[in-house]
Amino acid sequence: DSGVTQTPKHLITATGQRVTLRCSPRSGDLSVYWYQQSLDQGLQFLIHYYNGEERAKGNILERFSAQQFPDLHSELNLSSLELGDSALYFCASSVDVRDTEAFFGQGTRLTVV
Amino acid sequence: AQSVTQPDIHITVSEGASLELRCNYSYGATPYLFWYVQSPGQGLQLLLKYFSGDTLVQGIKGFEAEFKRSQSSFNLRKPSVHWSDAAEYFCAVGAGGGADGLTFGKGTHLIIQP
Repeated sequence: DSGVTQTPKHLITATGQRVTLRCSPRSGDLSVYWYQQSLDQGLQFLIHYYNGEERAKGNILERFSAQQFPDLHSELNLSSLELGDSALYFCASSVDVRDTEAFFGQGTRLTVV
Repeated sequence: AQSVTQPDIHITVSEGASLELRCNYSYGATPYLFWYVQSPGQGLQLLLKYFSGDTLVQGIKGFEAEFKRSQSSFNLRKPSVHWSDAAEYFCAVGAGGGADGLTFGKGTHLIIQP
């Protein structure tokens, strides 16, 4: 157990809908990263938050957004969902902005039908 | 932009045999390099990392990796594999010490034969 908690574990939704994925980092970790893992694209970095502020953006679509709350948990919002958004979404956390040992959660599997 | 290539999609190794998983990277500066393992239905677990210093790094579960700048490689090795090593292995390079996110290779699926 990495100490990073992601909910829900599985999510099935229809095209055009909006979902929210939640991540609770390890106790004491200030950084939260979001990654998408799909069969065709592999593992891709989406976005990094540190202590409530956005630090870096990767290949995140405009339909997607994230935030990190004062209690350091983070949410990834996916809207106007398409079939191609079906993937495993991982959250990872680390102690600080440059602490590169990131601990990954078990992921949320999103299926868009 | 950085990139990572893992040339082998699948590798089959007999239990007890040695293992080497290949990783080549492209990065303009001194890279931060990582190997992660993913078991079915699980998240990623860090095996080892290289930032600087000794080019041979030791990790968990008996794994080691060697950084070779001249070859832009960071190959993962284990002298004797166990059936429990069957998993997906990912090599990754980090920009900004990892703060800008990691760029992962496509992964190598390791199959262990009895």
